[in-house]
Amino acid sequence: SAVISQKPSRDICQRGTSLTIQCQVDSQVTMMFWYRQQPGQSLTLIATANQGSEATYESGFVIDKFPISRPNLTFSTLTVSNMSPEDSSIYLCSALQGANLAFFGQGTRLTVV
Amino acid sequence: RKEVEQDPGPFNVPEGATVAFNCTYSNSASQSFFWYRQDCRKEPKLLMSVYSSGNEDGRFTAQLNRASQYISLLIRDSKLSDSATYLCVVTNAGNNRKLIWGLGTSLAVNP
Repeated sequence: SAVISQKPSRDICQRGTSLTIQCQVDSQVTMMFWYRQQPGQSLTLIATANQGSEATYESGFVIDKFPISRPNLTFSTLTVSNMSPEDSSIYLCSALQGANLAFFGQGTRLTVV
Repeated sequence: RKEVEQDPGPFNVPEGATVAFNCTYSNSASQSFFWYRQDCRKEPKLLMSVYSSGNEDGRFTAQLNRASQYISLLIRDSKLSDSATYLCVVTNAGNNRKLIWGLGTSLAVNP
């Protein structure tokens, strides 16, 4: 199984600032995704990170707020821009291997104050 | 109707009990099915894939019923360490390989 290193593991940020989260996979993967998980809730897909092109965003998420980069098949970043307390959540990156098997980074626990 | 539905629980069972979770999905064209486990404050981890013929991994048995559009997870001889949230995941037809996640079923195994 792929090993995904995600950092930072947690951060406390001031409102109005931006935070960039990084994910590094130990092998090349075709698909990478970014999720958000509110306390007690399931995963909400933010976007699919496409290698070499713009990410594909889900309804309710836009590039200006959550810019995503994926320069190669092993690395992706998600930026949470102009943060507000409503952005406080756990952010998870995920990669697909084989027949749709999803593996996750350890998550970034973000608190916006 | 949600694409993937699970009973959120919580299920409280004593050690050694057998417990079963069901998950229903709305898209009859769904192709792949999985159970994930998520411990408190941790990321989800794959527990097992679900195959059409059903499959077993130790104390865990997963089954798929395409006609009724549900999958199930059976845990036998439950351990304290089985306490977690169990997430049902479905992928639909198409090239985007997007995973559809259930809200999860919480299990608490008590001594």
